Amino acid sequence: EPEVTQTPSHQVTQMGQEVILRCVPISNHLYFYWYRQILGQKVEFLVSFYNNEISEKSEIFDDQFSVERPDGSNFTLKIRSTKLEDSAMYFCASRGQGGFEAFFGQGTRLTVV
Amino acid sequence: EDQVTQSPEALRLQEGESSSLNCSYTVSGLRGLFWYRQDPGKGPEFLFTLYSAGEEKEKERLKATLTKKESFLHITAPKPEDSATYLCAVQSLEDSSYKLIFGSGTRLLVRP
Repeated sequence: EPEVTQTPSHQVTQMGQEVILRCVPISNHLYFYWYRQILGQKVEFLVSFYNNEISEKSEIFDDQFSVERPDGSNFTLKIRSTKLEDSAMYFCASRGQGGFEAFFGQGTRLTVV
Repeated sequence: EDQVTQSPEALRLQEGESSSLNCSYTVSGLRGLFWYRQDPGKGPEFLFTLYSAGEEKEKERLKATLTKKESFLHITAPKPEDSATYLCAVQSLEDSSYKLIFGSGTRLLVRP
């Protein structure tokens, strides 16, 4: 069964460092998303991406965040200068052309120390 | 503002004890309501999509229903492996990005 793959599963980084979270969406999907979940809180939308550009971003997604689809399979989220409050689970999701439901990866747990 | 509220926050059931989880929503035109299952430390796993009031979907011991203001996830004769957090999410018709607005979830524990 096709699935969304995320790497790494866990990343620990120093405050102020840059991190790149990687995702391989389901192969024939065209719409890509990043969500995050701070421990004990709701899953929150960060950004949506279609046709090589951002289609919508939330207030959380400030200038420290960027997304990229560097090739035909990967979708990345970069945080330029991490803060303690960026510690969370980050989920990549993808959606196919014909459906409304999004399929999620297993997440990357980011810990900023 | 689009909003999703789930209740109860947590639910403990004995194996075989049926119950229901509630998701009430406020959205500017519902495109779809989604149920996901989330195991600890994992990503949300898609269960159902409901589009219009009166619609019902079933999968094994789970049945999801939808009205104009809320959705219920009915769990019939649950087993310990049904223990998880169940998330409800909505999509607005006015949203061209098709993003999901999630509730806080219901943590379900089924004891043997």
